[in-house]
Amino acid sequence: DIQMTQSPSTLSASVGDRVNITCRASQTISSWLAWYQQKPGRAPKLLIYKTSNLDSGVPSRFSGSGSGTEFTLTISTLQPDDFATYYCQQYDRYWTFGQGTKVEIK
Amino acid sequence: QVLLVQSGAEVKQPGASVKVSCKASGYTFRNYDIAWVRQAPGHGPEWMAWIRPVNGDRHSAQKFQDRVSMTTDTSTSTASLELRSLRSDDTAVYFCARANFRGPMSYWGQGTLVTVSS
Repeated sequence: DIQMTQSPSTLSASVGDRVNITCRASQTISSWLAWYQQKPGRAPKLLIYKTSNLDSGVPSRFSGSGSGTEFTLTISTLQPDDFATYYCQQYDRYWTFGQGTKVEIK
Repeated sequence: QVLLVQSGAEVKQPGASVKVSCKASGYTFRNYDIAWVRQAPGHGPEWMAWIRPVNGDRHSAQKFQDRVSMTTDTSTSTASLELRSLRSDDTAVYFCARANFRGPMSYWGQGTLVTVSS
């Protein structure tokens, strides 16, 4: 099975900050990597697919990069609505999620 | 618009079975796969199983293979997941999601809380 490891687990930041979240796969997954945002009591929401493609309606302050085994989600200018938990997910071989990164208010 | 509406919360005793349904609308049900994901309290999502409505192809994660069953009904655009021999650590929110094989999960149901307790 492919394992996904995110870092950090928790990130304290302020509105306006640039935020980077890293995701590492236990084996190469090409570009089959998605990022999700989840708020308490809600289903995960797809933000980015195939490493760097923004889903419809997702603000351009979100971006994704990487390939192979190392990937990054960047929020260029953190907004109040962005405080949430973020998960990476590989879909090269079925699906595996990372353990999550909680972005909290500093 | 695409909607996935799941059945309501369940409370089950250890050893029992639970069935969660997921009714799709806003798209052609047979053209997209359905994935099942669960999320235990305080944990990240965990993929459980996948089914292709058009031909019934399916696959479950190894840890669930002995306990999970899935069905789809293309006449009602409904997918169902049954989990047997429930344990306390099966307490979680169960989600269905639209997800083609080798694709992200682009639409999600609202989630169904399953509580396993004696």
